[in-house]
Amino acid sequence: EPEVTQTPSHQVTQMGQEVILRCVPISNHLYFYWYRQILGQKVEFLVSFYNNEISEKSEIFDDQFSVERPDGSNFTLKIRSTKLEDSAMYFCASKTLAGGPNEQFFGPGTRLTVL
Amino acid sequence: KNEVEQSPQNLTAQEGEFITINCSYSVGISALHWLQQHPGGGIVSLFMLSSGKKKHGRLIATINIQEKHSSLHITASHPRDSAVYICAVPTLTGNQFYFGTGTSLTVIP
Repeated sequence: EPEVTQTPSHQVTQMGQEVILRCVPISNHLYFYWYRQILGQKVEFLVSFYNNEISEKSEIFDDQFSVERPDGSNFTLKIRSTKLEDSAMYFCASKTLAGGPNEQFFGPGTRLTVL
Repeated sequence: KNEVEQSPQNLTAQEGEFITINCSYSVGISALHWLQQHPGGGIVSLFMLSSGKKKHGRLIATINIQEKHSSLHITASHPRDSAVYICAVPTLTGNQFYFGTGTSLTVIP
């Protein structure tokens, strides 16, 4: 069964460093998302991406964040200069169609720890 | 302001019990998602529904669009059902999601 994959599973970095979190969505999916979950808190939407551009983004997704689909398979989230409060679980998700009530498929997550 | 409210926050049940988790939302939606988050952190989509009721095995989800309320029921609960259950609603564009805080379920053998 096709699945969304994410690498690495756990990333530890120093404050101020850049990190890139990688996701491989399901191959025929067209719409991609990043979410984060700070420990003990609810999942929060970061950004949605379609047709090689951002569709929507939340207030959390400031200039320190960027997303890219560098090739036909990867979808990346970059944090330019990490802060302690960026420590969280980051989930990638994808779905087949743009908009509408279509089911999302989630990756296993990357746990980011900023020291 | 919470667009999505879940109750209860924590739930402990004996194996075999019937379980109900509730979700209320304040935004207009096209569909509602129930998700399961395992202790390791991974998220699995259980249901996506826009009206009525859906059943998958021992899980049943219902939604009342007029009342902006959905319930997730688990029949004959089992310890392997122990997880966090999350209600999530997309905006009308479907491009952004609001998540509930989750209901942490523990089923005791």
